[in-house]
Amino acid sequence: AQKITQTQPGMFVQEKEAVTLDCTYDTSDPSYGLFWYKQPSSGEMIFLIYQGSYDQQNATEGRYSLNFQKARKSANLVISASQLGDSAMYFCAMRETQGGSEKLVFGKGTKLTVNP
Amino acid sequence: GAGVSQSPSNKVTEKGKDVELRCDPISGHTALYWYRQSLGQGLEFLIYFQGNSAPDKSGLPSDRFSAERTGGSVSTLTIQRTQQEDSAVYLCASSPRRGMNTEAFFGQGTRLTVV
Repeated sequence: AQKITQTQPGMFVQEKEAVTLDCTYDTSDPSYGLFWYKQPSSGEMIFLIYQGSYDQQNATEGRYSLNFQKARKSANLVISASQLGDSAMYFCAMRETQGGSEKLVFGKGTKLTVNP
Repeated sequence: GAGVSQSPSNKVTEKGKDVELRCDPISGHTALYWYRQSLGQGLEFLIYFQGNSAPDKSGLPSDRFSAERTGGSVSTLTIQRTQQEDSAVYLCASSPRRGMNTEAFFGQGTRLTVV
């Protein structure tokens, strides 16, 4: 079963507008961590934001915020005031503990294109 | 260097040959991960090392794939008898410690092409 599901292969947004990238996850572990990474066309992986399963508030980092709905097992990334440089692949990832392993599992990603 | 270093950056090999990919994690980082990313796809987990614990090999796709981490630092991913479907970018990442909130820092990857 897929642990991380990103249902939007591609998204388009106008510059300066906000966009939401969807992520749902599957786990039976009460303790887990959720991450979002950005991968520009250059290929590097850039950490954006983190949300812990026990965090009471939604995480925010500058223009990035995470809409965490624990009961729905969703952790959507919201990018406000989109910029042309936000065009990239965005990956949602989850870390959970299984048998001592804390591996990080990624979704298939969403390609965001910001139009001028 | 300050970041995760991978070598070579590009590797072209003939089908059936063995290849070794190297990863130098950030100094002091106890956790190390290998991922495979095929063209336009997500990151496929391969293997996870944490300190001196037994590695999590659950993502290795076949027994042609193996990895080791010497002295808790440098790691080598070995692919034996390479196949064309092994062509991908292999990404290495490291984390400074255990913990749910610990981000992984990625290298630039090794682009493997099997011809």
